[in-house]
Amino acid sequence: QQQVKQSPQSLIVQKGGIPIINCAYENTAFDYFPWYQQFPGKGPALLIAIRPDVSEKKEGRFTISFNKSAKQFSLHIMDSQPGDSATYFCAASAGGYNKLIFGAGTRLAVHP
Amino acid sequence: EAQVTQNPRYLITVTGKKLTVTCSQNMNHEYMSWYRQDPGLGLRQIYYSMNVEVTDKGDVPEGYKVSRKEKRNFPLILESPSPNQTSLYFCASGTNRDGETQYFGPGTRLLVL
Repeated sequence: QQQVKQSPQSLIVQKGGIPIINCAYENTAFDYFPWYQQFPGKGPALLIAIRPDVSEKKEGRFTISFNKSAKQFSLHIMDSQPGDSATYFCAASAGGYNKLIFGAGTRLAVHP
Repeated sequence: EAQVTQNPRYLITVTGKKLTVTCSQNMNHEYMSWYRQDPGLGLRQIYYSMNVEVTDKGDVPEGYKVSRKEKRNFPLILESPSPNQTSLYFCASGTNRDGETQYFGPGTRLLVL
């Protein structure tokens, strides 16, 4: 039973496009929603995170949109670049490190 | 350089042969954790530790052991590995000063024959 459902599994866009990765959760106790980026052969690295008191957070070309009533959140990558090609994981936490639940991941390919 | 290190990076073993994967961090983090990554399942937490001598089970602890005798080290022990433990393993650490950010190691790819 996956508590955080992530889609799509894979995504291909052209350079400059805006890939969107979606996640949905069920547990209303979740209060922290990070996105991790993973390059081949590397461990995941925190990209951006949001808490449910805001509906959007932007850091550079990366934006999280959060819809509390729908229990959904998404990652948008503006002006995507080939260097953004990686696997992206959404996650959710209900109170600290030990409660971090990850989605299944989305493999993104940005073609030149 | 602040980092989480894991050893070995790659390991092939046979069913039943005890093994240990080491994890060390140089950031003086209180929190450390082990995850396994499997295709289509994302990362699942195996065990975590909130501080020295304090450990607890994550979502998939069966078949694994951990210990936290020193703040910097958090080894993962497979007493009797089985083929279903073939996976990519990640160690992570964090501190309350960074909120809930976790810093991941480079991963250990394990194949159990």
